[in-house]
Amino acid sequence: AQKVTQAQTEISVVEKEDVTLDCVYETRDTTYYLFWYKQPPSGELVFLIRRNSFDEQNEISGRYSWNFQKSTSSFNFTITASQVVDSAVYFCALSAVTGRRALTFGSGTRLQVQP
Amino acid sequence: KAGVTQTPRYLIKTRGQQVTLSCSPISGHRSVSWYQQTPGQGLQFLFEYFSETQRNKGNFPGRFSGRQFSNSRSEMNVSTLELGDSALYLCASSPGASSNNEQFFGPGTRLTVL
Repeated sequence: AQKVTQAQTEISVVEKEDVTLDCVYETRDTTYYLFWYKQPPSGELVFLIRRNSFDEQNEISGRYSWNFQKSTSSFNFTITASQVVDSAVYFCALSAVTGRRALTFGSGTRLQVQP
Repeated sequence: KAGVTQTPRYLIKTRGQQVTLSCSPISGHRSVSWYQQTPGQGLQFLFEYFSETQRNKGNFPGRFSGRQFSNSRSEMNVSTLELGDSALYLCASSPGASSNNEQFFGPGTRLTVL
């Protein structure tokens, strides 16, 4: 069975603060993929990043960065210098190669960036 | 390229009725997945279709069904609606059926069951 846990239900920060969203996953598969999606108020899930289980390199894309640590089964997401437009619900998701290939989502973290 | 489109965007039904939701994937994408999003259960996988075949199914009752057409468009049907079926139904498309493929989501259909 697969499971994704996002323990932070809601985070509120002031603009320009850095914020880290935590994601912990469980899977018995040795090959799997991890994703982050953003869901703005409009409701559409926007793909942010994909990472496979063999690639533990951290990744940076503009103000976004991701820290993947297999040893702790975590795939955390950091927004540097947050902006009001970053306000959204962020979901971490897992997809295994074997068996059901559907995305298993965490419960999401609602990020509110105050001006 | 046009994104994933879903129709209708909003729907109100009463208990016992049935409903059909439609999803048009991104051009060239052959895999379509459906997810249900509710405040209580979060995002849950319903089913996935690839080349008109259902490849995976989530843990939902048989009242939930779907199909995919030769042009990759997909429909999902919910029969004998219950209040608990009120949710945002999201469709996602991807080029193939590999777990490696990112899924591109549509805006969703918000179903309210009264």
